[in-house]
Amino acid sequence: DVKVTQSSRYLVKRTGEKVFLECVQDMDHENMFWYRQDPGLGLRLIYFSYDVKMKEKGDIPEGYSVSREKKERFSLILESASTNQTSMYLCASSGQGAREQYFGPGTRLTVT
Amino acid sequence: AQSVAQPEDQVNVAEGNPLTVKCTYSVSGNPYLFWYVQYPNRGLQFLLKYITGDNLVKGSYGFEAEFNKSQTSFHLKKPSALVSDSALYFCAVRDRGGANSKLTFGKGITLSVRP
Repeated sequence: DVKVTQSSRYLVKRTGEKVFLECVQDMDHENMFWYRQDPGLGLRLIYFSYDVKMKEKGDIPEGYSVSREKKERFSLILESASTNQTSMYLCASSGQGAREQYFGPGTRLTVT
Repeated sequence: AQSVAQPEDQVNVAEGNPLTVKCTYSVSGNPYLFWYVQYPNRGLQFLLKYITGDNLVKGSYGFEAEFNKSQTSFHLKKPSALVSDSALYFCAVRDRGGANSKLTFGKGITLSVRP
């Protein structure tokens, strides 16, 4: 079974703090993704990576950065958290081609 | 650009009745199409996908979906709904000719099955 784990289920941070969300997958997948999920907006892609040290912007990259130093790990960084970044963050991974994405359980981040 | 439309916010059905959750898509080329389900406080789970071949695709938990190229639709169906099917359902599309594995998701539809 594919397993995607995320470092925290719930996180509360203050405005201006630097926030790290980590994701690890155990299936040797090339592709990894970070989404945020907001009611009525569905899933929106923040960043994705198709190889180690490679990254591409998704639909809403502003205010975020990512790091992929190892194939199994993909980190999302909020350089200076703001209240409008309060959301559910979902990590996913997939193999090449038409492979489906496998999702982690999500991190519910609250920025106060 | 690729996009997905899920025209309803919520679908309500009685247990035992058939259900349909609608999805239409737009891509420049041929699509890969996916359905995912999200139960409360959980991540998304893959249900089924259309890649090529038979337009009727069968997936997990008794769900199936029909690809209709002329109507650019990929509706999710189940012959007999269960209360446990109540969840949030997402349709997603990817352009088969795209250079990466980026999926575009719809807004999601809440399915409510009443006993």
